[in-house]
Amino acid sequence: GAVVSQHPSRVICKSGTSVKIECRSLDFQATTMFWYRQFPKQSLMLMATSNEGSKATYEQGVEKDKFLINHASLTLSTLTVTSAHPEDSSFYICSAPVGRGLDTFGSGTRLTVV
Amino acid sequence: GENVEQHPSTLSVQEGDSAVIKCTYSDSASNYFPWYKQELGKRPQLIIDIRSNVGEKKDQRIAVTLNKTAKHFSLHITETQPEDSAVYFCAASLGKAAGNKLTFGGGTRVLVKP
Repeated sequence: GAVVSQHPSRVICKSGTSVKIECRSLDFQATTMFWYRQFPKQSLMLMATSNEGSKATYEQGVEKDKFLINHASLTLSTLTVTSAHPEDSSFYICSAPVGRGLDTFGSGTRLTVV
Repeated sequence: GENVEQHPSTLSVQEGDSAVIKCTYSDSASNYFPWYKQELGKRPQLIIDIRSNVGEKKDQRIAVTLNKTAKHFSLHITETQPEDSAVYFCAASLGKAAGNKLTFGGGTRVLVKP
C-alpha cells in the first residue's frame, strides 16, 4: 500500500536553531501533503497544506515565516521549524491523500527544543 | 469551517464489554468520516471509515454508524480486548471540494481492563 516515510523520528535542538522534517511518498506521487501538530494528550491540528509546485496554504494562526513548508517534487515535502523555541516542542506528523478520501500518515517527528 | 466534537474524552471498559465513542460535526456538507486508532508515539492508523451515502458499516468487532440528519456518527467496538487500548480519533472531511482536508475530534483515550 501507499507509504509515507517521515524523518527524523526524534530530534532535540537548541533554542534559536532550525529543524527540517522530511516526508517522502515512497510508492506513489503526492501532489498534496498535510502537516499536523499534536501536543501531548491532544488532537491533531492541521497546520498547513503543501501542494507540489505552488505555495503552501496555512491554517489560521500558523506563522508562515516560522513554519516553512516546501513541496519541491511529487515525492517530497519538507517542514522547517525556524528559530525554534521550547513552545514549539511537539509531535509533527504529515499525511498524504491517496485517493477516495483516504490519507496515509507518516510516522511522526517528536521535536524537543531545549 | 468544520468543527468535530468527540465524547467521551476517556473511556474505561472491562475486557469483553463494548465501547462506544460518539462524534458530532457541524458542516452538513461533510461526506467522509474516518476513525483512527493511535498508540502512544505512533502514527494514527485508519481502522474504519464511512461515507455519507451509507448509514452503517461493520468490520469484525468494529462498526460505525452515521446519522446525517443529526450530524453525528459513532464507533462501536464489541468484545473489547486489552490490545484495543489506545486513543481513538474521529474525523470529518468535505472531500475534494475542500482539498480532502480532515478535521479531527479531540480524541478518546480507551483503556480496556483485563
